[in-house]
Amino acid sequence: DAGITQSPRYKITETGRQVTLMCHQTWSHSYMFWYRQDLGHGLRLIYYSAAADITDKGEVPDGYVVSRSKTENFPLTLESATRSQTSVYFCASSTGTSKETQYFGPGTRLLVL
Amino acid sequence: AQSVTQPDIHITVSEGASLELRCNYSYGATPYLFWYVQSPGQGLQLLLKYFSGDTLVQGIKGFEAEFKRSQSSFNLRKPSVHWSDAAEYFCAVGAIGSNTGKLIFGQGTTLQVKP
Repeated sequence: DAGITQSPRYKITETGRQVTLMCHQTWSHSYMFWYRQDLGHGLRLIYYSAAADITDKGEVPDGYVVSRSKTENFPLTLESATRSQTSVYFCASSTGTSKETQYFGPGTRLLVL
Repeated sequence: AQSVTQPDIHITVSEGASLELRCNYSYGATPYLFWYVQSPGQGLQLLLKYFSGDTLVQGIKGFEAEFKRSQSSFNLRKPSVHWSDAAEYFCAVGAIGSNTGKLIFGQGTTLQVKP
């Protein structure tokens, strides 16, 4: 099915481990985004990408790494997970500038023990 | 600094009653304005958006929002709430002329609907 998917949907890991969250979209949208959602903070932007091989930091990038070798994929890696990274992570994509609708994936719920 | 404020963290309304969710923004100029809805366990879905022109915009599921420049507000309304409207609602702003595509989200308002 066309759309934006995230995997895994649920993940439990331990502090210090590396974790990669996957995001895949089938629309060939140029822009992709990673957000985290925490109670009391709404959605905060972690990283975004305007095109393949172009990425930039958002509001809360520390502890995260992204890559975008293909337009359709935008993985997010926690290099050494910490408890403060326990959150729900959403990937989104859009066709362009900030007037365009962002389309969200279903989210990945991550628990770091 | 640019910011979005949703003053109400949690709102409860009875089914069939009217609804208004508040959103205020702080920005250098009139930004692009959005309302998204998140049903339990799901991602966000766009309800409506405002760029320019008519300050009352219509969205999906019977929602509308009114932009008021003088108040820096973009409040979401629905005349008669249905039980299926129970969800979390996010207001967001985007910078006009920006090529980053970035949005700033408010903290969200959780809507509970009483039968």
